[in-house]
Amino acid sequence: EAGVAQSPRYKIIEKRQSVAFWCNPISGHATLYWYQQILGQGPKLLIQFQNNGVVDDSQLPKDRFSAERLKGVDSTLKIQPAKLEDSAVYLCASSLGRTAETQYFGPGTRLLVL
Amino acid sequence: RKEVEQDPGPFNVPEGATVAFNCTYSNSASQSFFWYRQDCRKEPKLLMSVYSSGNEDGRFTAQLNRASQYISLLIRDSKLSDSATYLCVVNSPSGTYKYIFGTGTRLKVLA
Repeated sequence: EAGVAQSPRYKIIEKRQSVAFWCNPISGHATLYWYQQILGQGPKLLIQFQNNGVVDDSQLPKDRFSAERLKGVDSTLKIQPAKLEDSAVYLCASSLGRTAETQYFGPGTRLLVL
Repeated sequence: RKEVEQDPGPFNVPEGATVAFNCTYSNSASQSFFWYRQDCRKEPKLLMSVYSSGNEDGRFTAQLNRASQYISLLIRDSKLSDSATYLCVVNSPSGTYKYIFGTGTRLKVLA
């Protein structure tokens, strides 16, 4: 079974530039999560989708971050404009449903903002 | 107080040793608990779920103490390959089933 796919794997940009990350979850998984993991910290949930609807985006900095999951399958996370403190690994995860489910993570996109 | 707290370590233990980590959580209504393992520069992967009755998988044992609001992970007969960061995950019972990750505990098993 194919896992969660993410691209790109690495991205280096300058501050104030924009960047987009893509995620394709495991086939059939209704719930998709985007996490930000800063070095030395645990993953922090940015946004959670159930099919193509947003379930939780309380920790998403909406002035600069946006995400969508059109058609309830793959998803895009965008940062515009980027700040130095956005340097982190952006992890996408998916799970079959919403309750007490195992989350499967993609390899992540490592972002460096200069 | 953080929602989920872990000792970041590192825990340096010799091969064959037994090591235990604790993780405390603040919301007494939390219902689902997990331990994930994260290798350096890799994604987190589920190690085991933590049930009320405890859970054992080979050398790994996870326990839940609801009264004191913590979960624990015990690793017996440590192997070099156990070196990783162990992330505690607790669900936030806010209706959206948001999972809160701890900062992780680093384990290094020494030869």
